[in-house]
Amino acid sequence: QVQLVQSGAEVKKPGASVKVSCKASGYTFTNYGINWVRQAPGQGLEWMGWISTYTGNTNYAQKLQGRVTMTTDTSTSTAYMELRRLRSDDTAVYYCARAPYCTGGVCFPSRFDPWGQGTLVTVSS
Amino acid sequence: DIQMTQSPSTLSASVGDRVTITCRASQSISSWLAWYQQKPGKAPNLLIYKASSLESGVPSRFSGSGSGTEFTLTISSLQPDDFATYYCQQYNSSSITFGQGTRLEIK
Repeated sequence: QVQLVQSGAEVKKPGASVKVSCKASGYTFTNYGINWVRQAPGQGLEWMGWISTYTGNTNYAQKLQGRVTMTTDTSTSTAYMELRRLRSDDTAVYYCARAPYCTGGVCFPSRFDPWGQGTLVTVSS
Repeated sequence: DIQMTQSPSTLSASVGDRVTITCRASQSISSWLAWYQQKPGKAPNLLIYKASSLESGVPSRFSGSGSGTEFTLTISSLQPDDFATYYCQQYNSSSITFGQGTRLEIK
């Protein structure tokens, strides 16, 4: 079945970096982009950006520009999200989600489905 | 960025009730809207896409409607499993945005 499996929980100190992985299975990896969404404790969903698994092009949320990098390894169908210069307000559960559908380099608006199980990143001194 | 505003933020209802959640976009998003259900400690789960299309496996008591800037999610007869938080999401633009969420609680 189609699924995304994320790496385990992380604890980091302020100023450090974290890299979360998201391994896809059950579909052709390069036919869909991967989005990253985070959720701070007790808060709503915040979109962080997405990467085209076909071209490697990215689109990041403006507030994270300069601190976030999204990459993929098509040989292992894995997407990565690295966040640098961590702050306490980066403490959140980080999710990957599949979207959009792309063919021939053209991407179409798509809902997010499925989602990874989430990775808790705790930033604390 | 397109702003998504959900109302109400919290909704108290009983099993068997019909409930409606509203989502408004700050500009037209055509029908590029999805609804998700999230339970504590779990990832969001897709319910509705393209404003009114029911995701496979989702009970038919869930329905969505609307286009342009105004959308609704309706649950026709609340079941115990439906008490959760619901989010709308626009995917019309290259910058995705979510509503702030509606917590559906037991009255």
